[in-house]
Amino acid sequence: GIQVEQSPPDLILQEGANSTLRCNFSDSVNNLQWFHQNPWGQLINLFYIPSGTKQNGRLSATTVATERYSLLYISSSQTTDSGVYFCAVWVMRAGKSTFGDGTTLTVKP
Amino acid sequence: DAGVTQSPTHLIKTRGQHVTLRCSPISGHKSVSWYQQVLGQGPQFIFQYYEKEERGRGNFPDRFSARQFPNYSSELNVNALLLGDSALYLCASSLNPGTEQFFGPGTRLTVL
Repeated sequence: GIQVEQSPPDLILQEGANSTLRCNFSDSVNNLQWFHQNPWGQLINLFYIPSGTKQNGRLSATTVATERYSLLYISSSQTTDSGVYFCAVWVMRAGKSTFGDGTTLTVKP
Repeated sequence: DAGVTQSPTHLIKTRGQHVTLRCSPISGHKSVSWYQQVLGQGPQFIFQYYEKEERGRGNFPDRFSARQFPNYSSELNVNALLLGDSALYLCASSLNPGTEQFFGPGTRLTVL
């Protein structure tokens, strides 16, 4: 099956810093989502981005489907950005969704 | 509008027992997927249902089963519980298979 790798696994930043999270996938996908998981386990939708670039406030994402990767950018990070960030891909022919193991972000004041 | 709801929130069972978890999708969504998340890992896909039919299955044993009802709500059943089944079980709904997924708050299952 498809492999989804996220990097880095852990990231520690000072408040106000910028960061880039990466998601590589091993095969063609039909869609890709980025999520933020809060300490209570709730997965919060950030982006639905099969290809191209989207922006939402301090966050933006780019997916280059032909090169099989996606990037999540966080600018001017805040302590509330702390948590685990996941990417998930959907492969229609397999009928299943695959998540990466996540990047744990810690933003220090 | 209500989001995805799951019940119960928490559950404690003993080995060998059976458990049923429930999920109600967002109104208008016809597809429901189930995931298992163990500590320190990403969610693992268990099943997807669309229009009451199974459309996708992950690598889980036959002890895991699910169904979807005419109102698009869904149940996940796990038989003969093992200690390793302890996890957060997440339900996601989407309009159709492969479209944007929205997750519920999860059911935390502990098997003793």
